Amino acid sequence: AQSVTQLGSHVSVSEGALVLLRCNYSSSVPPYLFWYVQYPNQGLQLLLKYTTGATLVKGINGFEAEFKKSETSFHLTKPSAHMSDAAEYFCAVSDPQAGTALIFGKGTTLSVSS
Amino acid sequence: NAGVTQTPKFRVLKTGQSMTLLCAQDMNHEYMYWYRQDPGMGLRLIHYSVGEGTTAKGEVPDGYNVSRLKKQNFLLGLESAAPSQTSVYFCASSYLGANQPQHFGDGTRLSIL
Repeated sequence: AQSVTQLGSHVSVSEGALVLLRCNYSSSVPPYLFWYVQYPNQGLQLLLKYTTGATLVKGINGFEAEFKKSETSFHLTKPSAHMSDAAEYFCAVSDPQAGTALIFGKGTTLSVSS
Repeated sequence: NAGVTQTPKFRVLKTGQSMTLLCAQDMNHEYMYWYRQDPGMGLRLIHYSVGEGTTAKGEVPDGYNVSRLKKQNFLLGLESAAPSQTSVYFCASSYLGANQPQHFGDGTRLSIL
């Protein structure tokens, strides 16, 4: 069965600092991978996704993630944090062969201080 | 440009009452999903549908029923609400295929006393 682990339920950075949110997955086949962001009292918005091809994926708002098969990881990064990046971030995985539904991690809350 | 619309946005119920949450999408998506979000638990799939007239169970289906009579609508029912069902409920939809991103509504905040 697939699973997703997000390391760190809460990450705090200063404005302008590097953002690194960690995601590891467990899957018997190379999965499709997604990062979503949730702002307070809103639904989830897609940041970026990896399906096939280039392993470094660029998303919206300056975020990017790299699929590393050998490490079963899909960490999310942004070179310089902005106050508006404060939100909850979810990593999710789907099985290309078997599933239609996403399996979500438990989320990481990002706080950005000035 | 509505996307996915959930009705109602907030509701308070008493234990044992019933209610239906409505999800509507205007993107002609085949797949629709209901999730619940609880603190520290992420999103957990309740039920989903891969097309009009079809439904399937997700990870946490007990205590819920669903119907997809029209392609654009996906209803989630609670027949006899319990305090454990206090949660934020999200509906999502997507095109065919596991590589397609899901589009989410803004959620329904449900409290059961």
